[in-house]
Amino acid sequence: QQQVKQSPQSLIVQKGGISIINCAYENTAFDYFPWYQQFPGKGPALLIAIRPDVSEKKEGRFTISFNKSAKQFSLHIMDSQPGDSATYFCAASIILGGSNYKLTFGKGTLLTVNP
Amino acid sequence: KAGVTQTPRYLIKTRGQQVTLSCSPISGHRSVSWYQQTPGQGLQFLFEYFSETQRNKGNFPGRFSGRQFSNSRSEMNVSTLELGDSALYLCASSFGQSYNEQFFGPGTRLTVL
Repeated sequence: QQQVKQSPQSLIVQKGGISIINCAYENTAFDYFPWYQQFPGKGPALLIAIRPDVSEKKEGRFTISFNKSAKQFSLHIMDSQPGDSATYFCAASIILGGSNYKLTFGKGTLLTVNP
Repeated sequence: KAGVTQTPRYLIKTRGQQVTLSCSPISGHRSVSWYQQTPGQGLQFLFEYFSETQRNKGNFPGRFSGRQFSNSRSEMNVSTLELGDSALYLCASSFGQSYNEQFFGPGTRLTVL
């Protein structure tokens, strides 16, 4: 059972455009929703994260929009740059045993930003 | 500040063998988590250790085990390797309090022949 569904699988955007990646979750107990960026040959790196008491969080060109009632959240990358070309993963977790590090990941979106 | 290091970076084993992977967390971090990444299943949580104790566990068979030492370094072991165990194994470290950022290492690429 896939608890976090991510779409699209791949995305091609022109430089300067907006990249939008969507995720939907099933477990209403999830209370932490991070997004990770992964370049080839590297481990994932945290981009931005949100908790369900907030509907939007912005950090630079990256924005998370969160819709608790729809159980959906999305990543918007404004003014997309070729250097943003990478695989993006959404994830979700609940606090278990004192931590929320048991992350459930989406399948990933391969973003290509053309110059 | 040095990042998370994983050794070895690449490993080739045959079915039935066992393997041990090592992870050195960022200095001061007490939590170490392990993930398996494959093209088909994506990133899947294996287990998390905090202060030498397993705090969380994913849905993997008992062939997958781990431990953490007093210096927070961690090892994971896979016994009786199967072809399906071929994957990138990622380690992530954190201070260990909820919502602290996890920092991932570059991973160990395991190939089982």
